[in-house]
Amino acid sequence: DAGVTQSPTHLIKTRGQHVTLRCSPISGHKSVSWYQQVLGQGPQFIFQYYEKEERGRGNFPDRFSARQFPNYSSELNVNALLLGDSALYLCASSLVLGQGADNEQFFGPGTRLTVL
Amino acid sequence: QQQVKQSPQSLIVQKGGISIINCAYENTAFDYFPWYQQFPGKGPALLIAIRPDVSEKKEGRFTISFNKSAKQFSLHIMDSQPGDSATYFCAASRRNRDDKIIFGKGTRLHILP
Repeated sequence: DAGVTQSPTHLIKTRGQHVTLRCSPISGHKSVSWYQQVLGQGPQFIFQYYEKEERGRGNFPDRFSARQFPNYSSELNVNALLLGDSALYLCASSLVLGQGADNEQFFGPGTRLTVL
Repeated sequence: QQQVKQSPQSLIVQKGGISIINCAYENTAFDYFPWYQQFPGKGPALLIAIRPDVSEKKEGRFTISFNKSAKQFSLHIMDSQPGDSATYFCAASRRNRDDKIIFGKGTRLHILP
């Protein structure tokens, strides 16, 4: 069984550019969440989507946006990139919303974004 | 505002020893406390989780101890092995439908062979 997949694996951009990161959830999972993990820190919540609707947003500027498609895959978009956006961007999928033993979040390997 | 505080930042333990990582939380509404293990180049993976109505949960060599009154919980790794070398994150959330997971800053664990 395929786990959560993310593309690309690595990405190098320059300040001011735009980036799109992609995530495919585990088959059957309807909820996708995005996290930013800066080096040496824990993941920070950016967005959660369920059934194509935004159901949660973390403390990130409007330069960050996301969407979920009918097949439950998701995109994270970041505009006007800043040096501080350099991080590992993680996607996680779960069956439904919420946390718990019966609704584990499974994380993908992440996309490493470097902004020069 | 850091809602989950984790210590130590890094830990070195001899093979066969006990690794202990501690976490403290602030929000008493949290009712789900997972621990994640992350290897280099991988995303975090759920290791073990506990709810506040239980004081201890054990799965193999991994045990979570939970102290609700102190708002603290800890991970114990018994008989630590070199393969346990990874970064460990404690986390907390509410099991409501729209809630997110709050992660600690992580502990880099190295088990000496």
